[in-house]
Amino acid sequence: QSVLTQSPSASATPGQRVIISCSGSTPNIGTYPVNWYQQVPGTAPKLLMYDDDKRPSGVPDRFSGSKSGTSASLAISGLQSEDEADYYCATWDDSLNGDWVFGGGTKLTVL
Amino acid sequence: QVQLAQSGAEVKRPGASVRVACRAPGNTFFTYDINWVRQATGQGLEWMGWMNPKSGNTGYAQKFQARVTLTRNTSIGTAYMDLNNLRSDDTAIYYCLSGTMGPWGQGTLVTVSS
Repeated sequence: QSVLTQSPSASATPGQRVIISCSGSTPNIGTYPVNWYQQVPGTAPKLLMYDDDKRPSGVPDRFSGSKSGTSASLAISGLQSEDEADYYCATWDDSLNGDWVFGGGTKLTVL
Repeated sequence: QVQLAQSGAEVKRPGASVRVACRAPGNTFFTYDINWVRQATGQGLEWMGWMNPKSGNTGYAQKFQARVTLTRNTSIGTAYMDLNNLRSDDTAIYYCLSGTMGPWGQGTLVTVSS
């Protein structure tokens, strides 16, 4: 069981906005910044968001991140078919000897 | 962008050990810690540990502390992940990545089967 909780799946139609959430606790999300990764099946994960709400170069501004307390969210607006992928949140965790921890992942389906 | 190149797929018997290599080009090897993450088929991402390429200092996830060793060869800019006493549930794709932001290596499939 992951210490970061994500809904296993989400779906929306092209053009819609979808929000993927990541719930944690004080020793992890409540203390450290959150990264988000996108993984298209059969490929390595790719950084999508870092330090809660910062987009790496090349990531469209349709993607945005936020954090409040012990929860983080990834929002995707203007959904496109190529956004269909698995999304993972990650951060550090003081209660696990400083381990880096991932959420269980959310599979996004574009209907 | 820096690309990390990993060694090829491995097939091992239960109880054996495996070494996965991860090479970064030029001086980029020393820029960030190298993290190792694995992913079983159809499952999520699982962090295994980190290594500082300059100092060789390491940190391991509690789950893997007894079975994993991270090392490096600075002369060829290569990091290694050794996992011993392999079990069938160690069958997974093993990734290295630079820092926590990446980039990631392409992944190495390790299959443990009798």
